[in-house]
Amino acid sequence: DGGITQSPKYLFRKEGQNVTLSCEQNLNHDAMYWYRQDPGQGLRLIYYSQIVNDFQKGDIAEGYSVSREKKESFPLTVTSAQKNPTAFYLCASSTSGLHGETQYFGPGTRLLVL
Amino acid sequence: GENVEQHPSTLSVQEGDSAVIKCTYSDSASNYFPWYKQELGKRPQLIIDIRSNVGEKKDQRIAVTLNKTAKHFSLHITETQPEDSAVYFCAASRVDSSYKLIFGSGTRLLVRP
Repeated sequence: DGGITQSPKYLFRKEGQNVTLSCEQNLNHDAMYWYRQDPGQGLRLIYYSQIVNDFQKGDIAEGYSVSREKKESFPLTVTSAQKNPTAFYLCASSTSGLHGETQYFGPGTRLLVL
Repeated sequence: GENVEQHPSTLSVQEGDSAVIKCTYSDSASNYFPWYKQELGKRPQLIIDIRSNVGEKKDQRIAVTLNKTAKHFSLHITETQPEDSAVYFCAASRVDSSYKLIFGSGTRLLVRP
């Protein structure tokens, strides 16, 4: 899991502002994921991508957008449409997105609203 | 819809005692069950996983048991140590949607020295 990096560690968003969270991996993994973690709760899937130039919505995609132009990179944009963005955001990757693969997590980005 | 319930939400044990965390899943087609450990402010890390073709798996002081009939699985930690203190998450997924891990709400384990 040391091969997944996220930046920044902390991010502040103003009202009406879009912000982008970075996720990079050098593990040569095909599949990448974005999760949101709220205090005292489990992880919820926002978006996932099993291959370059393709991605799918997870359970809570509204107010978020992603792109997958490169295998190593899967940035997440939190748009102004996301009314409650304060959370801990975790990126993960796995070999191919097939069944039963281990998902390795990045260190996370904590997003706060000013 | 798919759901994973996890209990207890907090667990405090004396160092050296055992700890047990239980999860129940709703989707009978689930057949992959990982457990993650997350220390404060850190990333979740896989500690053990089990697939539906086995009933138990052990790795040193940790073990996971699976009861498919009852749709529940449990994490057992023996001889607990202070460094075991963390939040533990169970998860479940089914073979036809492997990307989709459904997580439990987490158990905060405190091991008292």
